[in-house]
Amino acid sequence: DIVMTQSPDSLAVSLGERATINCKSSQSLLYSSNDKNYLAWYQQKPGQPPKLLFYWASTRDSGVPDRFRGSGSGTDFSLTISSLQAEDVALYYCHQYYSIPYTFGQGTKLEIK
Amino acid sequence: QVHLMESGGGVVQPGRSLRLSCAASGFTFDTFGMHWVRQAPGKGLEWVAVISNDGTDKYYADSVKGRFTISRDSSRSTLYLQMNSLRAEDAAVYYCAKDEGDCRGGSCYRWDSWGQGTLVIVSS
Repeated sequence: DIVMTQSPDSLAVSLGERATINCKSSQSLLYSSNDKNYLAWYQQKPGQPPKLLFYWASTRDSGVPDRFRGSGSGTDFSLTISSLQAEDVALYYCHQYYSIPYTFGQGTKLEIK
Repeated sequence: QVHLMESGGGVVQPGRSLRLSCAASGFTFDTFGMHWVRQAPGKGLEWVAVISNDGTDKYYADSVKGRFTISRDSSRSTLYLQMNSLRAEDAAVYYCAKDEGDCRGGSCYRWDSWGQGTLVIVSS
C-alpha cells in the first residue's frame, strides 16, 4: 500500500499570510506513460464532505480560488495558500489515486493564528 | 449539476447487516466509476470500495474484503454498499464519490463529486 504522510498535522497562520502543507508518498505517484502525478488535494470543513481542490497534483478544480496552488512531483507534494482567508480554515487531505488501495494522508488542520 | 445522495445509515448491532444506497443525478451514471469512502468520527478518510462504470470490476479495501459488496443499478442510477458482519470499527460516515473516469481494471482518476454522507453506528 502507498502510505501518504502529511506535515504538519496542524498549522496556525495569520490572516493574509502564506500557509504550506506538505505531503509525501511512500512511492512515486508519477505515471510514466502519461507523465501525470496521481495526486489530489481535498478541503474538508466540519460537517461537510471533502471538496476537490487539485488533481494531477497541480490542476486546480473549477471554482477554486487562485490563492491556492498545488505543486510537486514523484513523491513530494505541497499545497500552498498564498494569502490565508478566514474561509480557508479546514482540514486538508492529500490523496493518491495511483494504485489500489487508494489512500489519504492523515490530514492537516489549518487554523487562524 | 452532479448530485449524490446517500441513505440507509443507522444503528446496527455488531454482526448484523446494512445496505447503503447512493442515488445519483445530473450525469450519465453508467459512464463513470463510483467509490465508497468512510470517515470514522474525528478521524481521517478511508477508501472502502470502487466499482467500474459497467459494474464488472470491483475492488475493496482489505478491511472490508469478504464482508462488504459494492454494486450498482444503472436503471435506477443508484450505487449500493451491502455491509455484512458489521464490526464496531465499521462505524463511520459513509460517502459515495463519483470518479472522473470509468475505473475499468481499477484505473481511476480524480473523484470530482461527493455526497453528503450517511452515518453508520455499530453498537449493541
